[in-house]
Amino acid sequence: GNSVTQMEGPVTLSEEAFLTINCTYTATGYPSLFWYVQYPGEGLQLLLKATKADDKGSNKGFEATYRKETTSFHLEKGSVQVSDSAVYFCALIKAAGNKLTFGGGTRVLVKP
Amino acid sequence: EAQVTQNPRYLITVTGKKLTVTCSQNMNHEYMSWYRQDPGLGLRQIYYSMNVEVTDKGDVPEGYKVSRKEKRNFPLILESPSPNQTSLYFCASSLWAGGRNTEAFFGQGTRLTVV
Repeated sequence: GNSVTQMEGPVTLSEEAFLTINCTYTATGYPSLFWYVQYPGEGLQLLLKATKADDKGSNKGFEATYRKETTSFHLEKGSVQVSDSAVYFCALIKAAGNKLTFGGGTRVLVKP
Repeated sequence: EAQVTQNPRYLITVTGKKLTVTCSQNMNHEYMSWYRQDPGLGLRQIYYSMNVEVTDKGDVPEGYKVSRKEKRNFPLILESPSPNQTSLYFCASSLWAGGRNTEAFFGQGTRLTVV
């Protein structure tokens, strides 16, 4: 079946540091890949997405590239802010599918 | 404003007392689903619905029921809640296009405690 594996947290960083959260997936065909963010006390919001190999999703300074050869979709941000403190979820929808499969989530804490 | 609305946000109940968590979306989406979020397990799908009167089990359906009588509403029903259903619950909706789901919109969540 489909699965998503992401690095465990918490990840603690200082402001302006570089952030990477690793995400790898197992799926047949060509799934669509997503990063969702959950700020404290809120629901999940779509951060970025990519629907085919080599696509790069980007939003709010975050980027992730769909790497078919390594089945990965790592999230990066060059300079984090305190407001980026949240839980980040990697997820996929398989081709011609309807269900989001989530990774376990990675909590990120950015300190001033 | 496009949104998914869940109620209540917080609920403490006793074992065996039936409860319903409501979910409503205003985006005319066909697809709706319920997830539970537990530490270290991410989000797991409980039930989903691809349209009115069409529902199906997700990964963890035991102990839950749903209904989809109208396109906008998708309530989650716990007929006899147990402590292992203490969790954070999210409703989500998405547009079904081109044979696959598009971006999912999530509600604010319902934190349920069963004592």
